[in-house]
Amino acid sequence: GAVVSQHPSRVICKSGTSVKIECRSLDFQATTMFWYRQFPKKSLMLMATSNEGSKATYEQGVEKDKFLINHASLTLSTLTVTSAHPEDSSFYICSARDPAGNTGELFFGEGSRLTVL
Amino acid sequence: GQNIDQPTEMTATEGAIVQINCTYQTSGFNGLFWYQQHAGEAPTFLSYNVLDGLEEKGRFSSFLSRSKGYSYLLLKELQMKDSASYLCAVTRNTGFQKLVFGTGTRLLVSP
Repeated sequence: GAVVSQHPSRVICKSGTSVKIECRSLDFQATTMFWYRQFPKKSLMLMATSNEGSKATYEQGVEKDKFLINHASLTLSTLTVTSAHPEDSSFYICSARDPAGNTGELFFGEGSRLTVL
Repeated sequence: GQNIDQPTEMTATEGAIVQINCTYQTSGFNGLFWYQQHAGEAPTFLSYNVLDGLEEKGRFSSFLSRSKGYSYLLLKELQMKDSASYLCAVTRNTGFQKLVFGTGTRLLVSP
């Protein structure tokens, strides 16, 4: 199946700093990528839809100025958590849909665990 | 909005059969997915249903009833490695066909 790679897998930062997470589609082009957040023992919560060449579409309740999303190319989307606070600590996962796929399934990156001290 | 509900936790015994239910309410329904997620890992695709009926794939089967807004994932011949979270997700035929996940079911398989 299609491969989506995410980096870094783990990051620890101090409160007030910004952290960038990268999501790459390795063997296909993705005009759209999705960013999810997951709290411990909870399901995935869709944060935003990343669109190549245009602004991201954010879900209700997600602060777009806090979670900056840039989709600069057909294989790369980045999520920047700005001025991070301890409550931003979470598991962030990106995903993309292979246009050549039959079912429209999403392929997920490995996830990035953010810990804000 | 979308409401997608699953039981929070289930337990079963190795070798047994378990059925995980998912109910949903959404407009513009365009398919239902089941994913498996082990702790600390990314979800992996299990099945996809868009038409009513049963889809079988090895030990796993998934059923959909669009009129009832209901799906289930059936796991047969349970193995210890099947202990994981099982996520039901629904997509709509609008916009970017984003996938919205249900609450997830944590399955614990015991010897």
